[in-house]
Amino acid sequence: GAVVSQHPSRVICKSGTSVKIECRSLDFQATTMFWYRQFPKQSLMLMATSNEGSKATYEQGVEKDKFLINHASLTLSTLTVTSAHPEDSSFYICSARGSGSNQPQHFGDGTRLSIL
Amino acid sequence: GENVEQHPSTLSVQEGDSAVIKCTYSDSASNYFPWYKQELGKGPQLIIDIRSNVGEKKDQRIAVTLNKTAKHFSLHITETQPEDSAVYFCAASKTGNTPLVFGKGTRLSVIA
Repeated sequence: GAVVSQHPSRVICKSGTSVKIECRSLDFQATTMFWYRQFPKQSLMLMATSNEGSKATYEQGVEKDKFLINHASLTLSTLTVTSAHPEDSSFYICSARGSGSNQPQHFGDGTRLSIL
Repeated sequence: GENVEQHPSTLSVQEGDSAVIKCTYSDSASNYFPWYKQELGKGPQLIIDIRSNVGEKKDQRIAVTLNKTAKHFSLHITETQPEDSAVYFCAASKTGNTPLVFGKGTRLSVIA
């Protein structure tokens, strides 16, 4: 089945550090990738949608200068949390969808980000 | 925009019994309804999905039903096993590149 790989699985770093998270589709070309944030015991909150080669579309309330998204190829998207602070600590999950109609969305295993 | 309601928020069943989780959606233009299973510390895993041109779909112990008129869809798990314990999310979207809108999740506990 379709596999989405997300790396790293866990990051612990000091406040003020920038952190990059990678999301790769391993066996299909992902024309669209999505980035979500999930707080404990809550649902997934969509942060942004990115199409390969285009600028990401951010959801209302998500700072695009804080959460930089790059989708430079059909198999890789990155999320960079710039100058991270403790309130940015969360579980970040990416997902990818292939080209063509009726393609399902597959998720990575998430990145647990802890800012000290 | 689309709004997806999911019930119940928690569900406990005895091993071997059936579990049913229900979702309603608000946008009649939505036509794709996946279900995801999320285990602790992992990302959601697609377990079954249904499109609006179908009323029911089954895959072994898992089935999903869709009522377009009432705008609701349900997940049915039969002969539950302890490994079915997880958080289940329903979602809805339109075709194309529109994002999924998720329900708030159901924490299913299967008691051995």
